[in-house]
Amino acid sequence: QVQLVQSGGEVKKPGASVKVSCETSGYSFSAYYIHWVRQAPGQGLEWMGRIHPNDGVSNYGQQFQGRITLTRDRSTGTAYMELASLRSDDTAVYYCARVKIAKFCSGGRCYSSPIDYWGQGTLVTVSS
Amino acid sequence: DIQMTQSPSSLSASVGDRVTITCRASRHIDSFLNWYQQEPGKPPKALIYGASILQSGVPSRFTGSGSGTDFNLTISSLLPEDVATYFCQQSYSDQHSFGQGTKLEIK
Repeated sequence: QVQLVQSGGEVKKPGASVKVSCETSGYSFSAYYIHWVRQAPGQGLEWMGRIHPNDGVSNYGQQFQGRITLTRDRSTGTAYMELASLRSDDTAVYYCARVKIAKFCSGGRCYSSPIDYWGQGTLVTVSS
Repeated sequence: DIQMTQSPSSLSASVGDRVTITCRASRHIDSFLNWYQQEPGKPPKALIYGASILQSGVPSRFTGSGSGTDFNLTISSLLPEDVATYFCQQSYSDQHSFGQGTKLEIK
């Protein structure tokens, strides 16, 4: 079965960096983007970025540009998210998730698949 | 980045009511619009993609409509298990983005 298993919770001091892993199994790693989404306590969802599994090209949310790095290891089907210069407002649950790469067009309309599987989430706490 | 604006931010309705949540994109996104349902303490679950296509396993009381910049999620007859927060998401640009969410409660 499809699984995305994330690394455990982290406690970091302001200014530090954190690296979260997402180990995938049960599907073809090359057919799906890995996206990263975070959710601060009691808040909404914030899209952080995505990485193409084959060429490693990443796209980042504007608010994270310069602080976030997404990487992947094709040999193990594992993706990584590193966030630098942490602040207290980076305290959140961080999710990895998969999205099918292929886009579709039908009857003049085009669309892409939604996020269909999520990791269990990793709580990152930033506190002095 | 494309900004997604949902309304209302919260909603209280009775069992059996027809409920509609609106999502507006800051620019044209064709039909690259997804809807998710999130229960507390769980990751979101996809309901609708392509603005109007029902994700496998999702009850038919959920429907999506719209294209371009204005989109709706409608629950035809509200059930107690529909209590959750609902998010729209655009996947048109290389930088995806979510709406701020609509918290749905039962009166």
